[in-house]
Amino acid sequence: GAGVSQSPSNKVTEKGKDVELRCDPISGHTALYWYRQSLGQGLEFLIYFQGNSAPDKSGLPSDRFSAERTGGSVSTLTIQRTQQEDSAVYLCASSLYGEKLFFGSGTQLSVL
Amino acid sequence: SQQGEEDPQALSIQEGENATMNCSYKTSINNLQWYRQNSGRGLVHLILIRSNEREKHSGRLRVTLDTSKKSSSLLITASRAADTASYFCATDRREAGTASKLTFGTGTRLQVTL
Repeated sequence: GAGVSQSPSNKVTEKGKDVELRCDPISGHTALYWYRQSLGQGLEFLIYFQGNSAPDKSGLPSDRFSAERTGGSVSTLTIQRTQQEDSAVYLCASSLYGEKLFFGSGTQLSVL
Repeated sequence: SQQGEEDPQALSIQEGENATMNCSYKTSINNLQWYRQNSGRGLVHLILIRSNEREKHSGRLRVTLDTSKKSSSLLITASRAADTASYFCATDRREAGTASKLTFGTGTRLQVTL
């Protein structure tokens, strides 16, 4: 596609439920990133994938969070047993040469 | 943890005035980037300045970098109402052979009024 696509754009869930957030990066981009942004805050790094290398998971806040990238393209961020503090905008970005990032419009997650 | 801290947190100016935002960071970097965010959703890349550069221009944007002070500034000249957004600096400390792992600051909210 022309840009980074994220779905759903909004997700409302109940505390304790699992959620999956999807990211479709720009075709050909080898690097894919997930960030989280709480209301009025900066971006918090979660995880990134680079080609076939092992992902850098150093930013994942707990073991309830996991992500995978299938076939070097689409990525899914999974949050198990969601908590209210997980409410945030989850942003995905991709990059070709590993410098300038192209962001999707994000998924607004609300945990009730 | 946040690597960059923007200053001021919020800025309100009138159309036609210049807007200056500052960013300070803590560790050595390879490059520093500025991004813009409208309405709390996707970010758009504005400009990248490398650690061996001191100043860079792009249209109405001027970015400076002082590695000795670990600080950068973004100047928007002749501001327009459409420049209203949040602006973030992001630092790249990537090691050789790895992809960027940008660390973002807390952002400056710019309001440009008519």
